[in-house]
Amino acid sequence: DAKTTQPPSMDCAEGRAANLPCNHSTISGNEYVYWYRQIHSQGPQYIIHGLKNNETNEMASLIITEDRKSSTLILPHATLRDTAVYYCIVRVFHNAGNMLTFGGGTRLMVKP
Amino acid sequence: DAGVIQSPRHEVTEMGQEVTLRCKPISGHNSLFWYRQTMMRGLELLIYFNNNVPIDDSGMPEDRFSAKMPNASFSTLKIQPSEPRDSAVYFCASSPTGMNTGELFFGEGSRLTVL
Repeated sequence: DAKTTQPPSMDCAEGRAANLPCNHSTISGNEYVYWYRQIHSQGPQYIIHGLKNNETNEMASLIITEDRKSSTLILPHATLRDTAVYYCIVRVFHNAGNMLTFGGGTRLMVKP
Repeated sequence: DAGVIQSPRHEVTEMGQEVTLRCKPISGHNSLFWYRQTMMRGLELLIYFNNNVPIDDSGMPEDRFSAKMPNASFSTLKIQPSEPRDSAVYFCASSPTGMNTGELFFGEGSRLTVL
């Protein structure tokens, strides 16, 4: 699996967009980009994933650069409840189940 | 749906004792994962089952750790004998297979303290 690099921490003002970057310069053509987050004392929670195209769901948007070497997770209007550790993971999709390896992630602090 | 259910939520035990952690995956999910989380090492994958069969146990730390999945609705992670360095939060997750949602559903974890 390709290695990912994320800043260890970021701050964001409540109500503003939070843009979380992830570098995955060694990504291969069949590897997907997954984002998860972990709110304190809870299990990780899936946010979004994508291969090439930008993706959006009710939680966030995922912007993947054309060369696929980096991506950005966007929380359009961050709230205090979005304070969490955000993990970017790159992985080939396996029909028999996705074994995901979590790195250090980015600790996002949303401030009032 | 009740989600992934783990028990116990908290366990405090003494070194040398046997510990059994339990997990009930979401009904219909074919894959089950056990993770361990510590401050020092972060989230580590211990073992992964598909259709009740262990597929990859390369993350299991040593022979003191064992995991079973006797049926599609139940899995256990056993530590015998336990040691203080096993203190961690243990998460169980499940996912449906054959669908590229990329989504693992995690339980709330079992916090283990070994004295």
